[in-house]
Amino acid sequence: AQTVTQSQPEMSVQEAETVTLSCTYDTSESDYYLFWYKQPPSRQMILVIRQEAYKQQNATENRFSVNFQKAAKSFSLKISDSQLGDAAMYFCAYRSAYTDKLIFGTGTRLQVFP
Amino acid sequence: DAGITQSPRHKVTETGTPVTLRCHQTENHRYMYWYRQDPGHGLRLIHYSYGVKDTDKGEVSDGYSVSRSKTEDFLLTLESATSSQTSVYFCAISALAGSSYEQYFGPGTRLTVT
Repeated sequence: AQTVTQSQPEMSVQEAETVTLSCTYDTSESDYYLFWYKQPPSRQMILVIRQEAYKQQNATENRFSVNFQKAAKSFSLKISDSQLGDAAMYFCAYRSAYTDKLIFGTGTRLQVFP
Repeated sequence: DAGITQSPRHKVTETGTPVTLRCHQTENHRYMYWYRQDPGHGLRLIHYSYGVKDTDKGEVSDGYSVSRSKTEDFLLTLESATSSQTSVYFCAISALAGSSYEQYFGPGTRLTVT
């Protein structure tokens, strides 16, 4: 069975600085997708970024980028130029290419200080 | 927000009472999901549906049932609520985004069982 591990329950960053959130996963499959979701205090789950396992190039969405290391089964999220609005829970998630079910990590709470 | 609403948004109920949560979507998505979110566990899949009257169990289905009599509505029922079912419940749909499917979430329902 696939598992997703987020080993950092909490992280903090100064406004305008860069922070990296870690995620590792375990799978025997070669074709899959990885996601980062953001959950602000409003509780809404917001998709931040997606990575296809078959793509070597790391995904980027504005200030958000990932470092995808397939051999190491690592999928970290880098937030550049952190803003107060980035404060939230961040969840890493895995989906096999052969199913539609998401498997989530336990989340990392990010605090942003002015 | 993918046109997903959940009702009620908050509910307090007593142990042993039946509870039904409703998920409504306006964009005719075929795939729908119910998750629960608990501290230390992230989001876990309860039940899912691939279409009208086509449902199946997820990772944590014990104590829950679902029904989908119309494409737009996916109901989650707790037949006899227990304190262990106190949680935040999220509905999600799966929609095609580019070359793959992504899940989009409703606003969540906070359920407290006393």
